[in-house]
Amino acid sequence: KAGVTQTPRYLIKTRGQQVTLSCSPISGHRSVSWYQQTPGQGLQFLFEYFSETQRNKGNFPGRFSGRQFSNSRSEMNVSTLELGDSALYLCASSLAQGTGELFFGEGSRLTVL
Amino acid sequence: GQQVMQIPQYQHVQEGEDFTTYCNSSTTLSNIQWYKQRPGGHPVFLIQLVKSGEVKKQKRLTFQFGEAKKNSSLHITATQTTDVGTYFCAGPEAGKSTFGDGTTLTVKP
Repeated sequence: KAGVTQTPRYLIKTRGQQVTLSCSPISGHRSVSWYQQTPGQGLQFLFEYFSETQRNKGNFPGRFSGRQFSNSRSEMNVSTLELGDSALYLCASSLAQGTGELFFGEGSRLTVL
Repeated sequence: GQQVMQIPQYQHVQEGEDFTTYCNSSTTLSNIQWYKQRPGGHPVFLIQLVKSGEVKKQKRLTFQFGEAKKNSSLHITATQTTDVGTYFCAGPEAGKSTFGDGTTLTVKP
């Protein structure tokens, strides 16, 4: 069965721009979580969606937003990009909301210049 | 909020030596998960521990969950070069998983 698919894999943006990242979960998984990974901060939780509703949100500014569609695919958006937003953005899907085994995608590596 | 801490941050071993990473939570956990991330890769689920004092083995890997369900460890016996990567523990809190900062293992052949 296909794994979690994230697009794009790599992208370069400049400060002030906005970016949209996409995540297709494993078929049948209804929970999608997003994490930001940087060398200095580890894996930081951004938000989780389950059945098209945001169930949890991490401590990130409002520039970070997301949504989930009826087919469980999810997108996250970062507006007004800052240099510090450069990171690997990981999407993870799971069967259950919140505490189940997480299946990660390969990530979208964002570089902000 | 919940904090999950891992030590050590880095571990360099000679191939064949043992390796242990420790995970401590500021709160009692309902369960704990372990993940491995190879260099340039993404985290991959290894195991979930649920019961107090639980011990699980996967070949050369031994996972333990503390009696108080606030700490856990991963022990690798006789490391191999294929064991290199970063090992993360993760504990659930309020419906989300909080990850430790990870222990990065390098193995010298």
